[in-house]
Amino acid sequence: DGGITQSPKYLFRKEGQNVTLSCEQNLNHDAMYWYRQDPGQGLRLIYYSQIVNDFQKGDIAEGYSVSREKKESFPLTVTSAQKNPTAFYLCASKVERNTEAFFGQGTRLTVV
Amino acid sequence: KQEVTQIPAALSVPEGENLVLNCSFTDSAIYNLQWFRQDPGKGLTSLLLIQSSQREQTSGRLNASLDKSSGRSTLYIAASQPGDSATYLCAVTLDRGSTLGRLYFGRGTQLTVWP
Repeated sequence: DGGITQSPKYLFRKEGQNVTLSCEQNLNHDAMYWYRQDPGQGLRLIYYSQIVNDFQKGDIAEGYSVSREKKESFPLTVTSAQKNPTAFYLCASKVERNTEAFFGQGTRLTVV
Repeated sequence: KQEVTQIPAALSVPEGENLVLNCSFTDSAIYNLQWFRQDPGKGLTSLLLIQSSQREQTSGRLNASLDKSSGRSTLYIAASQPGDSATYLCAVTLDRGSTLGRLYFGRGTQLTVWP
């Protein structure tokens, strides 16, 4: 089945640690996105990528980094510079910019 | 900057009622508008996508309308069921600049349908 797979479902980070969230899609979509969701707030864009080896900062990119080495993969690294990383992280993809967006099942990151 | 507002923030109705969820956006230069459903702790499920040239889309008991010029969309749910209980989100894609198809989201309407 085609879709977007995010892993892990739950992730715990110690203070000062970097962690990487995985996002893989087999939909052959060009565009991929990372959003952060906090209780009572709308989804906020972290990073997005239109093609391989190219990506753009979103509204809240500080403390995060990404790579797009393969079309199907768009991993997000939450660095120690991100002071409040506890949130629900969602990955999305589109065929191209003006088409329907599809989302993964999310990763819940908690700082311990 | 695009602002998306959803009203009401929460809604609780008895089973069988027809209901309307509202979404408004400040910048009418959009490619499309998409409605999503989110269950607790889960990702977003796409319900309907309306292109800017369209007035409405239907899927089963769901009907979404779009008035681009006034910056409004409504999601109509007919004969609501307890299984419809979830948070409903609307999002728009702008038709301008180098936004690369990013979505602008509202905060959602939390719907509870009780038996």
